[in-house]
Amino acid sequence: IVLTQSPGTLSLSPGERATLSCRASQSVGSSSLAWYQQKPGQAPRLLMYAASKRPIAIPDRFSGSGSGTDFTLTINRLKPEDFAVYYCQQYGTSPHTFGQGTKVEIK
Amino acid sequence: QVHLVESGGGVVQPGRSLRLSCAASGFTFTYYAMHWVRQIPGKGLEWVAVISYDGRSKYYADSVKGRFTISRDNSKNTLYLQMNSLRTEDTALYYCARGGWMQVWSELDSWGQGALVTVSS
Repeated sequence: IVLTQSPGTLSLSPGERATLSCRASQSVGSSSLAWYQQKPGQAPRLLMYAASKRPIAIPDRFSGSGSGTDFTLTINRLKPEDFAVYYCQQYGTSPHTFGQGTKVEIK
Repeated sequence: QVHLVESGGGVVQPGRSLRLSCAASGFTFTYYAMHWVRQIPGKGLEWVAVISYDGRSKYYADSVKGRFTISRDNSKNTLYLQMNSLRTEDTALYYCARGGWMQVWSELDSWGQGALVTVSS
């Protein structure tokens, strides 16, 4: 399954909302889709799994939605620490593919 | 607290072999699937391989199939990646990551800091 993320780069100001898209080339079974955040020099961090479930340590300004082939990660009220690269990943079928990433940068 | 530490990276010539290790602590390693993911510096993430909690099931990316082998030693809480016939395009930072509890079809909820592999003559 090929995952295509858009846009490639999102330029926003702190306090704004970010909407990131992840589109799959075929249906992702059981909404087996995750989102990760990666900051420079750091390992990725799990933000969302099963399309819309947040790990306990992730703030509620992060939300995920979608099913089938279209998924969205929304970040409300951007904070300075949210500017990073975000990747989606499907884990319903092998290989467990990643999208190419969306960079959220400060405008 | 989950802790994953990769080791074994380095510089190797094309066609040669290298084995990465990932030492796990802070959780019951025996019950979790484990993954390798790589990242060319400045580029995106590429999933490499996964192994089930008991080592019986293994899946690979097409780009490494037949050259890389994922394995684990549950008595040592250690994950391995044997990389043979290395190519320049295998140059990347290799992360180990924890997968699902007793299943390979799951998100990656904890990551190590990575081991850098450079394939160059």
